[in-house]
Amino acid sequence: GQNIDQPTEMTATEGAIVQINCTYQTSGFNGLFWYQQHAGEAPTFLSYNVLDGLEEKGRFSSFLSRSKGYSYLLLKELQMKDSASYLCAVKTAQNQGGKLIFGQGTELSVKP
Amino acid sequence: GAVVSQHPSWVICKSGTSVKIECRSLDFQATTMFWYRQFPKQSLMLMATSNEGSKATYEQGVEKDKFLINHASLTLSTLTVTSAHPEDSSFYICSTTTLAAGGTYEQYFGPGTRLTVT
Repeated sequence: GQNIDQPTEMTATEGAIVQINCTYQTSGFNGLFWYQQHAGEAPTFLSYNVLDGLEEKGRFSSFLSRSKGYSYLLLKELQMKDSASYLCAVKTAQNQGGKLIFGQGTELSVKP
Repeated sequence: GAVVSQHPSWVICKSGTSVKIECRSLDFQATTMFWYRQFPKQSLMLMATSNEGSKATYEQGVEKDKFLINHASLTLSTLTVTSAHPEDSSFYICSTTTLAAGGTYEQYFGPGTRLTVT
């Protein structure tokens, strides 16, 4: 079956660093996505990893280890606006029809 | 990134009626679109994959006769919720894939449609 696990919720302080972990077991793998979703809105794309290693994009970085079925999203210099749900999703096939399987999302609360 | 629009953004309908939701790709042609449903405090669940010019592929447990999908053109896919019931109240989101730099396919989401069935 398909299984993607993330912590349900996390709390961090403004200005700090937070790491959101994601583990996956899927029938196929062709990349892992991280999305940010604010309440009542659609997800917005944050990052994409298909090879092992770290991808850095401003305050956000994402890491992938395919052998361990593991990824994390690192958020630096947290801001209040970073309070949102963060979704880990695995693409199961290479072609255009490859489906995304989503984890349940991690609700991040940033406190002053 | 690619731009995907949805219409309407929210809709309230009475139980037993049908509702049509449109998903458009605004600046590119989308041969494949995906329809997701999201209940409060839950993650996105894929309902079906919509392919231009052919029948949609539904995920297990999704009633194809209740959720009608039409993908008649390269820029438009529609989801019709037939004989809606209160348990169909949810956030419906479409997405499409586009070829990004480096030869990978990326998914971009529409803004979503909030359906409330009374």
